[in-house]
Order: sequence, then C-alpha cells, then structure tokens
Amino acid sequence: DAKTTQPPSMDCAEGRAANLPCNHSTISGNEYVYWYRQIHSQGPQYIIHGLKNNETNEMASLIITEDRKSSTLILPHATLRDTAVYYCIVNGNYGQNFVFGPGTRLSVLP
Amino acid sequence: DAGVTQSPTHLIKTRGQHVTLRCSPISGHKSVSWYQQVLGQGPQFIFQYYEKEERGRGNFPDRFSARQFPNYSSELNVNALLLGDSALYLCASSLRGGSTDTQYFGPGTRLTVL
Repeated sequence: DAKTTQPPSMDCAEGRAANLPCNHSTISGNEYVYWYRQIHSQGPQYIIHGLKNNETNEMASLIITEDRKSSTLILPHATLRDTAVYYCIVNGNYGQNFVFGPGTRLSVLP
Repeated sequence: DAGVTQSPTHLIKTRGQHVTLRCSPISGHKSVSWYQQVLGQGPQFIFQYYEKEERGRGNFPDRFSARQFPNYSSELNVNALLLGDSALYLCASSLRGGSTDTQYFGPGTRLTVL
C-alpha cells in the first residue's frame, strides 16, 4: 500500500498557484518525498523531491512540514498544460520500488 | 540528451502468447526499473536491476521476468499472457538505483492482450 494520502481531484484557475497536499504521517527519517506527474497515457514526469528542507526548481516548489508528516507541491502559475495526475511518493528503501497511490487529478481551468 | 526510450510503443497479443519489451536507459544510468500501470491506477513496481543484478522484485507472478545487459539496457518478458496483463509498461532509469537517485520514466509500451 502507498504510504501517502492525496485528495483524488482538485481544480485550479489558469494563472493561479496550484497547491497540492500530501499526507505521509508514517514517513521515517531516511525517506524522501518525491513528486511526479503523469499527463494522459505518458510516462510519469519527475517534478521535485526533498528530505526535510523546502525545495524549489524551475517547475515547482516543495514545502515539507517540520514534523515531515505532510508536504505541499506548489505550481506557482498553473497553465492548461499542467493538467495531469500528480503523484506523491515517499521512498527510502535501498532500492527504488516506488509505491504509487492513485494520485491527485489536477484540472487547470481557463 | 535522449531520455529513456522504450520499444515497441504499442503491442497487441493474444492470450497464452509471450511478449518481450525493451528499454534503453539515459546515458550513464546503470539502474533500470519496470512498472505496470493498469488503466485508472498508479504504476506498480515489477523489477529493479542494477549492474545486471536484480535488486528488487514486486508482487508479480513468475510469468514475469527481466534482465539487464552489459550496456545497461533491459528487457521485460511476460509468458503465458492473460487478459489482465493488458497495461502500460513503464521503464525508469537512474544513476545508481539508490533511494536518493531520481528515477526518470520512459513513455511506456502499451500492451493489449486479446
């Protein structure tokens, strides 16, 4: 089972910030939080990951709470092309057997 | 730079047949993982290989097998196909396959079993 919980769907107006929450209350000290997105029938696209500090790259920002039990992915200015399923994954195993949940279906509306 | 490539893009088979799917990782990446994504669900882990050795295996029957070649490319084989094997098969590569290495996914192979 996935170690994360995400809302099944969210809407966001084009040009506004999209804030996608993820709960990972059982995360352990060495586990990272990863975010991917999947646009219809394509392979998942890496967005960002972090351990405990907030992270930012050209695509998004990742805010991790101090207790690390939840995080928020922020797309600062959502566009129609950001419409996708967003997956939050925690992983700290020796290997990389990512456990995907059902994700959040984000719809960016014009 | 080329990303992860997979072939073929689409495949149609009938029940009982076998299939071989291929994956070429990003140049310099030594780890390859395979995932199955059934329609409407998130990807499910099948195998991980690093330096030609199996590093991890998901909860899939023995009909599923894989291998990694010296050039780090990989094949996924599925024998005795069932209707339920119809899915998008995804390959992901990373530098060393460690928990802190980012996985990059290919476009997938869409397998339809009739």
